[in-house]
Amino acid sequence: GAGVSQSPRYKVTKRGQDVALRCDPISGHVSLYWYRQALGQGPEFLTYFNYEAQQDKSGLPNDRFSAERPEGSISTLTIQRTEQRDSAMYRCASSPRGDFYSGANVLTFGAGSRLTVL
Amino acid sequence: GESVGLHLPTLSVQEGDNSIINCAYSNSASDYFIWYKQESGKGPQFIIDIRSNMDKRQGQRVTVLLNKTVKHLSLQIAATQPGDSAVYFCAEILSGSARQLTFGSGTQLTVLP
Repeated sequence: GAGVSQSPRYKVTKRGQDVALRCDPISGHVSLYWYRQALGQGPEFLTYFNYEAQQDKSGLPNDRFSAERPEGSISTLTIQRTEQRDSAMYRCASSPRGDFYSGANVLTFGAGSRLTVL
Repeated sequence: GESVGLHLPTLSVQEGDNSIINCAYSNSASDYFIWYKQESGKGPQFIIDIRSNMDKRQGQRVTVLLNKTVKHLSLQIAATQPGDSAVYFCAEILSGSARQLTFGSGTQLTVLP
């Protein structure tokens, strides 16, 4: 697609429920990243993929969080047994290849999925 | 739209004036820096980048200055326009890191008519 598409844009759920957030990166982009952004703060790294391989998941807060990108395109971030502290904007970004070190290869961010856990 | 926290540093400038947004980064091993612009309800958007072997880089209406001695970045916007109103974030990448961007705290720029 023309940009990074995320769904749902807004998700309200009750504590204890599982949620799945979807990211559809720019077509052909090799790398896909998940970030979490609190109000007034910059995005915080969660995990990233090159193709279907999860390269780094060191930013995932705990084992309730998981991500997959089974076919190297669309990715799903899943949060199990949600807690109120999980409420945030979850942003996906993609880049043509894994190497940041070029202005032309920077991340393109999606509009995000705002999660509210009641 | 998405609102920003009241604790964000703010900068208000008159339309047509130049803006300077500052950022202190944390790690002296960082070797690549990016400025992002985030408008309300949107994701961060790339503005300009600079490598650590440079101290200045210019783009269209924007200039980034890097002072590695004091670990300081600045973004200068010439002839600020209403469309420049947004939150601006600097981000750094550690040399040899797993390609993670570390974002700094943002600055809310408001352009006054």
